[in-house]
Amino acid sequence: AQSVTQLDSQVPVFEEAPVELRCNYSSSVSVYLFWYVQYPNQGLQLLLKYLSGSTLVESINGFEAEFNKSQTSFHLRKPSVHISDTAEYFCAVRSGSSGDKLTFGTGTRLAVRP
Amino acid sequence: EPEVTQTPSHQVTQMGQEVILRCVPISNHLYFYWYRQILGQKVEFLVSFYNNEISEKSEIFDDQFSVERPDGSNFTLKIRSTKLEDSAMYFCASSERGGGEKLFFGSGTQLSVL
Repeated sequence: AQSVTQLDSQVPVFEEAPVELRCNYSSSVSVYLFWYVQYPNQGLQLLLKYLSGSTLVESINGFEAEFNKSQTSFHLRKPSVHISDTAEYFCAVRSGSSGDKLTFGTGTRLAVRP
Repeated sequence: EPEVTQTPSHQVTQMGQEVILRCVPISNHLYFYWYRQILGQKVEFLVSFYNNEISEKSEIFDDQFSVERPDGSNFTLKIRSTKLEDSAMYFCASSERGGGEKLFFGSGTQLSVL
């Protein structure tokens, strides 16, 4: 069975500071990893994904995540956050044997302060 | 940008009553999903639907739950006899391709069972 752990329920950070949102997964087979973001009163939106190839993946708004197989992690980072990055961030995993089903973490609320 | 729409945004019902949650997926998408999130817990997969039939379902999705695509545009989740523990935010999602690669989520229906 696969699972996702997001240890930080909330991460407060000042604007222009760097941030890392942690995600660890467990799965016995090959995995595909995702970060989804939920802005207030909106649905979840795909931020970035790792399917194969380069272990470092980037989004269009400056976030990046690195797949680390040995540490079973897929942490999300941004070198300098903006107020508009305030949102809930969900890490998710799909294994090669789980069909279409995504398994999500509990989410991390990123609160960016001026 | 096209989006998945869900109605209503909030639904309050009495225990034992039937509820129908409605979703309009993106028009050219072929794969449809329901997820839910109980307050403070993880986003959980309920069911996936493709080619007018359920392709995968979780243990949560028991006989009290059903899904339907009645008219080629709507995708509904019915709970036949609601229980207190069905209270959650229910998210509909759709994707163009299978494999859970890029799901578009609606903003959710908050179901409160009293």
